[in-house]
Amino acid sequence: QITLEESGPTLVKPTQTLTLTCTFSGFSFSNSAVGVGWSRQPPGKALEWLALIYWDDKKHYRPSLESRLTITKDTSKNQVVLTMTNMDPVDTATYYCAHNGGWFSRYSMDVWGHGTTVTVSS
Amino acid sequence: EIVLTQSPGTLSLSPGDRATLSCRASQTVSSNYLAWYQQKPGQAPRLLIFGASSRAAGIPDRFSGSGSMTDFTLTISRLEPDDFAVYYCQQYGSSPLISFGQGTRLESK
Repeated sequence: QITLEESGPTLVKPTQTLTLTCTFSGFSFSNSAVGVGWSRQPPGKALEWLALIYWDDKKHYRPSLESRLTITKDTSKNQVVLTMTNMDPVDTATYYCAHNGGWFSRYSMDVWGHGTTVTVSS
Repeated sequence: EIVLTQSPGTLSLSPGDRATLSCRASQTVSSNYLAWYQQKPGQAPRLLIFGASSRAAGIPDRFSGSGSMTDFTLTISRLEPDDFAVYYCQQYGSSPLISFGQGTRLESK
């Protein structure tokens, strides 16, 4: 059974850097051709994809946010970390990590974490 | 940049009705890498359909997906009370690599 859990600060100040960690179980980057992605959802709004990292360390970013985002993985810890620099109140959202099943799931996000809410305010 | 446009924005139906939700892409979706998700208030999205027409594990067969290239449809054959939620389509493969539609809210009449 695949599970993912997001962790990180609930409140950050404008201009600060946000660091979120996704800790997962039920799969491993060392033996699965899969990925882990991050998406977010501002209150009352639609989902917005942010970044994706694959088992082979290939990384993809939302073009409009690429300069602010970094995604990394720690295979030994079963973790994926997302950092977002220069946070602004418009970045207030629930941030989700999700398992991307690769070709098997036609690159859909087949298992999601519960999400973590981040508020950007001074 | 590929844009997914979902219609209608809100759909008001009754339990037992048939629901038809549309997702139109501004350009061809690569290899029909189109997925549908259901999201209820306060919950994470749940995968319903992947590859345009394949049901995810545990998804009832009243949910079905169809379509290709730029026009895709999610059909719920007989609505149950638990189906009232927001539904999102999502594509993979274009630029940006992943994008979501703006969602369709399915509400009980």
